[in-house]
Formats: sequence, C-alpha cells, structure tokens
Amino acid sequence: GENVEQHPSTLSVQEGDSAVIKCTYSDSASNYFPWYKQELGKRPQLIIDIRSNVGEKKDQRIAVTLNKTAKHFSLHITETQPEDSAVYFCAATGGGADGLTFGKGTHLIIQP
Amino acid sequence: DAGVIQSPRHEVTEMGQEVTLRCKPISGHNSLFWYRQTMMRGLELLIYFNNNVPIDDSGMPEDRFSAKMPNASFSTLKIQPSEPRDSAVYFCASSPRWETQYFGPGTRLLVL
Repeated sequence: GENVEQHPSTLSVQEGDSAVIKCTYSDSASNYFPWYKQELGKRPQLIIDIRSNVGEKKDQRIAVTLNKTAKHFSLHITETQPEDSAVYFCAATGGGADGLTFGKGTHLIIQP
Repeated sequence: DAGVIQSPRHEVTEMGQEVTLRCKPISGHNSLFWYRQTMMRGLELLIYFNNNVPIDDSGMPEDRFSAKMPNASFSTLKIQPSEPRDSAVYFCASSPRWETQYFGPGTRLLVL
C-alpha cells in the first residue's frame, strides 16, 4: 500500500516569511495529492490539491508543487499570517479502491 | 448544504461498554470514510464505503470494531467492547468520488 512521509513535524516561521512543507510517497501509481489544514479542535479542511498531470498549482498565497519522478510534493505558503498557524496534512491516493493515505502532519507556528 | 454530520460530538464511556458513532454524509456523495485521529498515530483510515458497500476495512484495528452503511445517508461505527486505548477523535468524511474528501466535525471519544 501507499506510504506517505511528511517533514518537518514542526515548523516555526516569522510572520511574513514563507513556509515549505514536504512530503514523499511510495506508490508510483498515486495520482491525487491533497493538502488539509486542521486548526486546533477542528476538522481537517481541504486547502489545495494537485493531480499527477500537473506540476504546480497556486491559490493566492498557497502553492503546491509535484515531482512525479522523485515522488515528492510540497506545500508553499508565502507571506505567512497568524491565521496560518495550524497542523497541515499531506495525502496521496492512487484512485480505484484506495482511500487517502495521510502524512503524520506538520505543526506550523507563525511567530509574531 | 449542512456538510457531513456526526453524532454524538462527545462521548465518555466506561471500559467494556458498547459505543456507536453516527455519520450522515453530504447528499449526493457516494463514498464515505471513517478515520481515527490520535496524537501518537495521526490520522488513520479505518474503513471506506463506496455506494454503501465496504471496499477496504483493512484499517479496522480489531474485531471489536464494526461499521455499517445501510443506506446512502447514514453510517455507523461501533466499538464493542470499548477499551481505554480506543480513546481518540473519530472523523467521518464523504466524497463525490474517492478523492476530495469533506470531513465531519468529529466525535471525541473517551473510554475510562
């Protein structure tokens, strides 16, 4: 089955700086890679996703890049703000009968 | 749309008791997922239904756990008998296919 590794487990950045979270996956058949944001005590919410036929996708301050050859994908947040503080999860799936396999999460802390 | 609905939101029970968690997916979604979240193990997929049929239950930890989806608008996750190590947040998620998943608010379960 799929295995997703996520790094770092904790990331602290100054407000206004950029943050990058990286994930690797094991199954070369995986073709869908979502990112979820989970605030304390709340549910995971989809913030951006990318499919294997695309190398990069942007949505305002958030971008995701995918390197299929290396089997890794990354989340980039620019101009970080206090409300970006949360746990971020990457995930991967190959479709068919597979569900999502999640990484362990990254606790992003935005320092004022 | 009310989103995914879960009940109860909080459950405190004693070891050995039966626990039933309930989920109502978003109308029109044909995939439903049950996850368990703990600090130690992160987000774990327990079971996945497609069109009310269980597709993958390899994540169900033991025979004490069972899940049903009698119709497109309702699913249950049952733990019998419950144990303290079952304490976690249980999320239900639904999807129009198997990719983009929308999470419910979760049920916080504490087994004493």
